[in-house]
Amino acid sequence: QSVLTQPPSVSAAPGQRVTISCSGNSSNIGHNYVSWFQQIPGTAPKLLIYDNYKRPSGIPDRFSASTSGTSASLAITGVQAGDEADYFCETWDSGLSDVVFGGGTKLTVL
Amino acid sequence: QVQLEQSGGEVRKPGASVKISCKASGYTFTTYSISWLRQAPGQGFELMGWISPYNGNTNYAQKYQGRITLTTDTSTSTAYMEVTGLSPDDTAVYYCARDPYGSPAIGLAGTARFDHWGQGSRVIVSS
Repeated sequence: QSVLTQPPSVSAAPGQRVTISCSGNSSNIGHNYVSWFQQIPGTAPKLLIYDNYKRPSGIPDRFSASTSGTSASLAITGVQAGDEADYFCETWDSGLSDVVFGGGTKLTVL
Repeated sequence: QVQLEQSGGEVRKPGASVKISCKASGYTFTTYSISWLRQAPGQGFELMGWISPYNGNTNYAQKYQGRITLTTDTSTSTAYMEVTGLSPDDTAVYYCARDPYGSPAIGLAGTARFDHWGQGSRVIVSS
């Protein structure tokens, strides 16, 4: 049972916009920065977003993220077939004094 | 470019040990820590611990203290994780990731935890 809660799956047609939610509490998302990762099956996870909304160099601006209270969300605009992957959120939990992850959300491109 | 190349998959019997390697390239190895994470089947990621190649400092998650040992070889830019007392519950994919936490890079602008990952090493524990 992951500390951060994500929907198991979402789907979108090519070109559409999709959002993935990550729900936590005041000990984690409520007071600490959130990162988002993409994991295409069989490959290494890739950092998409850090410090709630910042993109590492090379990550297209189709990927954006935000936080509000104890929740975070990742948005992908102009969904492409190559975006089909698992996406998971991560942050620090001040109560647990540990890094915590979401269970991951599988994006299916229709 | 930054790359972390991990050793291949392993099969072990319960009670055995396994040592996984993670060879770094494309950056100064001692500037960043190496974190080790695992993903068991159907589960989310867990941080197991990290090591700073700069000074050898380590931090182990309480759950794994006494059962994992993290080391580095700065001459080959390689990090190692040894896990002892394996049980079937340790069947998982193990990843190394670059991490500024506990390293000289912690104060650098634009750094983020787990910004580059290895490809994963699958460990199967079965009798």
